[in-house]
Amino acid sequence: QKEVEQDPGPLSVPEGAIVSLNCTYSNSAFQYFMWYRQYSRKGPELLMYTYSSGNKEDGRFTAQVDKSSKYISLFIRDSQPSDSATYLCAMSGNNFNKFYFGSGTKLNVKP
Amino acid sequence: ETGVTQTPRHLVMGMTNKKSLKCEQHLGHNAMYWYKQSAKKPLELMFVYNFKEQTENNSVPSRFSPECPNSSHLFLHLHTLQPEDSALYLCASSQLAGGRGNEQFFGPGTRLTVL
Repeated sequence: QKEVEQDPGPLSVPEGAIVSLNCTYSNSAFQYFMWYRQYSRKGPELLMYTYSSGNKEDGRFTAQVDKSSKYISLFIRDSQPSDSATYLCAMSGNNFNKFYFGSGTKLNVKP
Repeated sequence: ETGVTQTPRHLVMGMTNKKSLKCEQHLGHNAMYWYKQSAKKPLELMFVYNFKEQTENNSVPSRFSPECPNSSHLFLHLHTLQPEDSALYLCASSQLAGGRGNEQFFGPGTRLTVL
């Protein structure tokens, strides 16, 4: 079983839609959760960082962590064509150096 | 220069060549990482350096040889690679801080093609 599971998509939505991206994981020791956005031919860019369970909001982006279900989500409100990218979830436990990444979900927001 | 820079951005090499990838971080961080990114697969952690000391080698073949001369620079020396080593190689850095996790900041990557 993979440490982190993420649906690769692609996910195609119209501009203005609410997007929901998700990851599940198996290791209950994970307590730091991150979302990265990766545009084509670029490195991943950190979008959201969350510690333990709960919600975190930043502009149009909301990250949710449900540790009891081992499930994390990223919501994008009022999606824009510029949000078209691959979104990677990542998580780590007490070993701060070791991140476990999902395989990424490719999102396409159509004008 | 800001953030994490990587050179070259693209590299094509034959299986008998020797080449090096370079990474430099301008963030004052004390940890640096090499990752391999292949299509439709999760990022694979290759090497970790904390305060210039290698702390993680994720069963990487010896044809990949890392070097960290100081906390701002990281190299990946390549020799006798195989076509399946073709991928995007990403460098990242972070600031180790006791008591919490640390965000990793990535460079743009080197797209490597092995013929």
